Amino acid sequence: QQQVKQSPQSLIVQKGGISIINCAYENTAFDYFPWYQQFPGKGPALLIAIRPDVSEKKEGRFTISFNKSAKQFSLHIMDSQPGDSATYFCAATQAGNTPLVFGKGTRLSVIA
Amino acid sequence: DTGVSQDPRHKITKRGQNVTFRCDPISEHNRLYWYRQTLGQGPEFLTYFQNEAQLEKSRLLSDRFSAERPKGSFSTLEIQRTEQGDSAMYLCASSLFDNYNSPLHFGNGTRLTVT
Repeated sequence: QQQVKQSPQSLIVQKGGISIINCAYENTAFDYFPWYQQFPGKGPALLIAIRPDVSEKKEGRFTISFNKSAKQFSLHIMDSQPGDSATYFCAATQAGNTPLVFGKGTRLSVIA
Repeated sequence: DTGVSQDPRHKITKRGQNVTFRCDPISEHNRLYWYRQTLGQGPEFLTYFQNEAQLEKSRLLSDRFSAERPKGSFSTLEIQRTEQGDSAMYLCASSLFDNYNSPLHFGNGTRLTVT
C-alpha cells in the first residue's frame, strides 16, 4: 500500500516558468510533510517542510501548499532555473513516531 | 565535512557473498536511519536506531539483513547471501530527535551491484 502518491513522474518546464508537483497521502495521522531534492549521485536533501496547522509555507522560490481536507500537498517552484533540474520527493510522517514515507519522485527538467 | 558519511560509495559483489556497509552520522545526532532506493523510486525505509537501540524494522528487511549501531555512534548494515534483487542504493540518514520531528540528513549512499 503506497502511503504517499506523487505526480507527475516527470516534468519539463521552461526557464522562468512555474513547476508544480503534487502529492496525496492516506494516513490522517501524518503531521509533517517535507520535500526533498536529489541530484544524481547524491543523497536527498531537505528543501522545505510544512506542518498541517498552516495552509502555505514559502521559502524563496519554493512554496508548499497544503490542503488538509483533501489530504493533498504540492510544491511550487517559481521562476524555475536549469539548476533546479533534479528529482523531487514528497514525504510524510507522524512526527516523532514513524519514519518518513516517501513518494516515488518527480524528475524535473528545466530547459532554457 | 560534518555531514553523514557512507562507505564504500560503490560495491560490486557476486551473488551469495556477504557485504557490509558503514554509516557515520552527524556527531550530535541520536537517530540513524537506513533506507534503500532503487532506480526511479523513492527511498524505502529499512530500519532505524535511537542511540544504540534498534526501534523499528521494515517488513522489507529480510532475515538476511542485519543492522547494528554499537555505542550509538556509527552503524553497519550487513547483507548476507546477496541476491540480484538486493542491487540498489543504500542510504543512511541521521537526525537529532527531541520529542518532535527534526529534518533527516542523508548521506550520498552506497550503491550495491550484485552480479
